[in-house]
Amino acid sequence: GENVEQHPSTLSVQEGDSAVIKCTYSDSASNYFPWYKQELGKRPQLIIDIRSNVGEKKDQRIAVTLNKTAKHFSLHITETQPEDSAVYFCAAADSWGKFQFGAGTQVVVTP
Amino acid sequence: DSGVTQTPKHLITATGQRVTLRCSPRSGDLSVYWYQQSLDQGLQFLIQYYNGEERAKGNILERFSAQQFPDLHSELNLSSLELGDSALYFCASSETGMNQETQYFGPGTRLLVL
Repeated sequence: GENVEQHPSTLSVQEGDSAVIKCTYSDSASNYFPWYKQELGKRPQLIIDIRSNVGEKKDQRIAVTLNKTAKHFSLHITETQPEDSAVYFCAAADSWGKFQFGAGTQVVVTP
Repeated sequence: DSGVTQTPKHLITATGQRVTLRCSPRSGDLSVYWYQQSLDQGLQFLIQYYNGEERAKGNILERFSAQQFPDLHSELNLSSLELGDSALYFCASSETGMNQETQYFGPGTRLLVL
């Protein structure tokens, strides 16, 4: 069936180090891959997204890479800061607007 | 504040009951999405509406139904509630519902079934 796998489930990093979260998807019709950040008790917020015709996208300290052949995409956070601590969700969507989410990664940035 | 509103914020009810969750999209957005977030299931896409019509369906149970009204607000109806339905229910909206648009999430409705 269609699903998105996300790893790791928890990630602890020292402030200033990089964090990498990886997702794989199975639906070859997926062509849109957003990443959401959810702080405790708050709503998910889009932090970056990538379309299927692009291999990499960067926005300041955040970057996302996509490998359509291998059906995996990754989120990279550089120079992590305590405010980066949150749960991060990846998602894959097809042209019909059907979204599949990963299970989330709890990122903890320690000073 | 995303501009998406949801009511109520919290809801406590008993098994077997029926509840209705309400969502108002951002001004100008035609599409509404519903999601369920529980501790053990993560974020689950339930259903999407565009301009009053169902557009995409995810893992929505038959006991659940939704609709989008002419004024574009949407309601999610949950019936024959079970303990496992306890979760945070989010609504999100986007301008046209095309899959490569940013979705803006509401604050959520926390449902507790006792």
